[in-house]
Amino acid sequence: ETGVTQTPRHLVMGMTNKKSLKCEQHLGHNAMYWYKQSAKKPLELMFVYSLEERVENNSVPSRFSPECPNSSHLFLHLHTLQPEDSALYLCASSQEPANTGELFFGEGSRLTVL
Amino acid sequence: QKEVEQDPGPLSVPEGAIVSLNCTYSNSAFQYFMWYRQYSRKGPELLMYTYSSGNKEDGRFTAQVDKSSKYISLFIRDSQPSDSATYLCAMSALGNYQLIWGAGTKLIIKP
Repeated sequence: ETGVTQTPRHLVMGMTNKKSLKCEQHLGHNAMYWYKQSAKKPLELMFVYSLEERVENNSVPSRFSPECPNSSHLFLHLHTLQPEDSALYLCASSQEPANTGELFFGEGSRLTVL
Repeated sequence: QKEVEQDPGPLSVPEGAIVSLNCTYSNSAFQYFMWYRQYSRKGPELLMYTYSSGNKEDGRFTAQVDKSSKYISLFIRDSQPSDSATYLCAMSALGNYQLIWGAGTKLIIKP
């Protein structure tokens, strides 16, 4: 495996379900990110982890709960979601949280909330 | 007013044409400017990165930054059907690692 891998690629869940998205990076990077991508909207940064410590939480509802057990893995735990949470969730990594913008993205997890 | 404005398109041009993609922004503190390309069902990938003003060329791609006008452009020469994708601009300020993104322009190159 190379780059950034996300699973599952597609997920359909009811509003009362609990599910998790998984991300794994094979690049030796120290920073990992969760982004939300909705149609015709800019990417929304949700969470940033640097060396497994959360450094940014952009006022994300508590129904989204991130977990970073080590610098290679990142999870996004989902519970009691709303239909407006349906979107593409992208994981990214970088050498460090830096403003040079060199983020490496996974292919995303397409989430549909019924 | 959005911090970064980008026409969503779609922009449809014939193969071989020169393509111009643009973003405008309002925050004069932005110093780092990037263009990402996103193919359908894929994540974005970094295409070009520019610091401050000026031009940067990489093969058929040229990134241009005009800070006085708060305007950035991406030019694609000799466009190919494989260039069909959504192009996202992103920018950030010195000392702030949070990128501010445009909504993306969908580009279609017709054979």
